[in-house]
Amino acid sequence: QVQLVQSGAEVKKPGASVKVSCKASGYTFTSYGISWVRQAPGQGLEWMGWISAYNGNTNYAQKLQGRVTMTTDTSTSTAYMELRSLRSDDTAVYYCARASITIFDNWFDPWGQGTLVTVSS
Amino acid sequence: QAGLTQPPSVSKGLRQTATLTCTGNSNNVGNQGAAWLQQHQGHPPKLLSYRNNNRPSGISERFSASRSGNTASLTITGLQPEDEADYYCSAWDSSLSAPVFGGGTKLTVL
Repeated sequence: QVQLVQSGAEVKKPGASVKVSCKASGYTFTSYGISWVRQAPGQGLEWMGWISAYNGNTNYAQKLQGRVTMTTDTSTSTAYMELRSLRSDDTAVYYCARASITIFDNWFDPWGQGTLVTVSS
Repeated sequence: QAGLTQPPSVSKGLRQTATLTCTGNSNNVGNQGAAWLQQHQGHPPKLLSYRNNNRPSGISERFSASRSGNTASLTITGLQPEDEADYYCSAWDSSLSAPVFGGGTKLTVL
């Protein structure tokens, strides 16, 4: 079955970076994209960006431009999301989700289990 | 970024029908419609519907989506206890060149 498995929880200090991985299985990785979505404690969903697993094209949320980088490793069917210059308001559960190969075809299915990133001094 | 508008909470009785709404504008919901996601506490979201009323395999026919103008709706018939969850809508916004989410609706099944 189609599955996305994410890396474990992280605790980081303000100003540090975090890199979350998302390993895909059960489908042809390069035929889809991967979107990253985060959810702060008790809050709603916030789209962070999308990467094409076919050619590595990316589209990042404007508010995260310059701090986020999304990459893929097609040899291991794994997507990565790195967020730099962490602040306390980056504390959230970070999700990866399979997405369309065309970003404007708006769907996310399935989702990874989530990775809690806590930013605290 | 601008988001979609959802009522914070809806309460309905067991076996009743709930209709959740999601209001956007002509750049998002009015353009390409909405996707709907269900999220139980402590779990990742699950896709219920996309492109207005396409259901992924395994999603019950009790969930149906529609759109009228700039407002998308998710109708859940025959409410069950397991339908109690948070529901989010999402739509591609052509002016932002990015997807936007609603703030979510907490559905309580009485």
